[in-house]
Amino acid sequence: DTAVSQTPKYLVTQMGNDKSIKCEQNLGHDTMYWYKQDSKKFLKIMFSYNNKELIINETVPNRFSPKSPDKAHLNLHINSLELGDSAVYFCASSRRETEAFFGQGTRLTVV
Amino acid sequence: AQSVTQLDSQVPVFEEAPVELRCNYSSSVSVYLFWYVQYPNQGLQLLLKYLSGSTLVKGINGFEAEFNKSQTSFHLRKPSVHISDTAEYFCAVSFSGGYQKVTFGTGTKLQVIP
Repeated sequence: DTAVSQTPKYLVTQMGNDKSIKCEQNLGHDTMYWYKQDSKKFLKIMFSYNNKELIINETVPNRFSPKSPDKAHLNLHINSLELGDSAVYFCASSRRETEAFFGQGTRLTVV
Repeated sequence: AQSVTQLDSQVPVFEEAPVELRCNYSSSVSVYLFWYVQYPNQGLQLLLKYLSGSTLVKGINGFEAEFNKSQTSFHLRKPSVHISDTAEYFCAVSFSGGYQKVTFGTGTKLQVIP
């Protein structure tokens, strides 16, 4: 009965490849997010969707494209992966004006 | 624009000693405040939150925090820490009204020394 689940947990890939990370929440929340955590543990919001509509896009390269097929899912597709994309990516969800619930993270390593 | 400052990147403390992790925020509107904990190789777990009401907020694992509007602070405290409290702690803020964007501080690594 995981609240926010994302797959895969680990992803190792070569530069230039395209990869996707999937996220699903079963909490009935309206808003979903993608955060990036770098090697220094800094957490930065990348995208936010509310009812499948993009509401926050924080100057993320357009190689990153989120897709929300429904309120419970928010996937992240990354084209032409670069070394600097290596990080832990967290999916989260929330109701409006309450706390966010986080997935376990996807550790992406680009080699 | 809202921002969060955690001045201490690392806080070492002996087991069973008290600890305070500092958090200051900046916002021109009313805010909601959160503390999250991240254990190694795991996601973020909510420790406690301030949305409104009493400024002293109690959370899980014996932690508490006090919202101080005049000092724009939301410091996290625990009277007696355990080894298992060793983790990264993040203060976060979002503002009331509109869509939620949670902004995180840079984190404080709490190291409990046996």
